[in-house]
Order: sequence, then C-alpha cells, then structure tokens
Amino acid sequence: GAVVSQHPSRVICKSGTSVKIECRSLDFQATTMFWYRQFPKQSLMLMATSNEGSKATYEQGVEKDKFLINHASLTLSTLTVTSAHPEDSSFYICSAWTGETQYFGPGTRLLVL
Amino acid sequence: GENVEQHPSTLSVQEGDSAVIKCTYSDSASNYFPWYKQELGKRPQLIIDIRSNVGEKKDQRIAVTLNKTAKHFSLHITETQPEDSAVYFCAASIQAGTALIFGKGTTLSVSS
Repeated sequence: GAVVSQHPSRVICKSGTSVKIECRSLDFQATTMFWYRQFPKQSLMLMATSNEGSKATYEQGVEKDKFLINHASLTLSTLTVTSAHPEDSSFYICSAWTGETQYFGPGTRLLVL
Repeated sequence: GENVEQHPSTLSVQEGDSAVIKCTYSDSASNYFPWYKQELGKRPQLIIDIRSNVGEKKDQRIAVTLNKTAKHFSLHITETQPEDSAVYFCAASIQAGTALIFGKGTTLSVSS
C-alpha cells in the first residue's frame, strides 16, 4: 500500500531556532501534499496545501513567513518552522493523496523549550 | 469554508455492543467523507470512506451512511471489541484529493 514517511519523528529545539520537517511519498508521486497540526487531545487542523512547483496555499491564521513550505519534487515536501517558540510545540502531520485516498505520515512531535 | 461537527466527543460501550458516531457538514459542495481511527501518538488510519453518489457503504463490522440532503453522515461499528478503542475522526472535502476538514473527534472506549 501507499506509504508516506516523515522525518524526524520527534525533535526538541531551543526557542528561536528553526526546524525542518520532511514529508515523503515513498511509492507514488504526489503533486499535492497537506500539512496538519494537532495539539494534545485535539483534532487535526489544516495548516497549508503544498503544491509541487508552486507556492503553498495557507489556511487563514497560519503565518506563511513562519511556516515555510517547499514542494520541490513530486515525492518531497518540507515544512520549516522558523524562529520556533514554545507555543509551536505540537504534532505535525503531513498527508498525500494517492489517487484513491489520502494517506498520513507518522507525524513529527516538536517540542520547543 | 467547510465546518464539520462531530458527536459525541466521548463514547463508552461494552464489548459486543454497537457504537454510532455522527457528523454534520456545512458545505453542500462537499462530496467525499472519510473516517479515520487514531491511536495515541500515531498517525490517523483510514477505516472507511464514502462518496456522495453512495448512501451507504459497509466493510465487515464497519458501516458508513450518508444523507446529503440533511448534510450528515454516520459511522456504525457493530460487535465492538476492546481493540476498537481509539479516537475516531470524521472528515469532509469538496472532492477526493483536496484538503480534508476534520471533526473534533470521538474517543471510543470499549470495555470487556
């Protein structure tokens, strides 16, 4: 079946630093990937739609200069959290559409100290 | 934009009982409705989905029904087992392949 991977699985960083999260589709090409954020005991909130070869589309309230998204190839999208602060600590999950359904990556747990 | 409401937020059942989770959506243009199961700290896993040209879909103990007129859809789990305990999310999108908007989730607890 389709596989979506994410790296790293968890990261701890100091406040003010930047963190890059990678999302890969391993056995299919994904022209579109999605980034979600999930706080503890809450639902998945769509942050942005990542489009291969073009700019990402951000949801209302998501700062595009803080959450940089790059989708340079059909199998890789990256999310960079710039100048991270403790309130950015969350579970970040990407997903990709296979043509049949939407698969999620295993998520990246970010802790900003 | 689309808004998805999900009820109940928590559901406790005895093993062998049925469980029903209900969702409503606001955008009549939505036509793809998946259900995901998420265990603690893990990724959401698709358990069943339905498209707007179908009123009901079944897969063993799991079924989903869709009422487009009323803009609501429901997940039915029969003969529940302890391993069904998890958080279940409904979602909606305008078409398969576009971004999903999720409900707030239902924590299902099945006691033996």
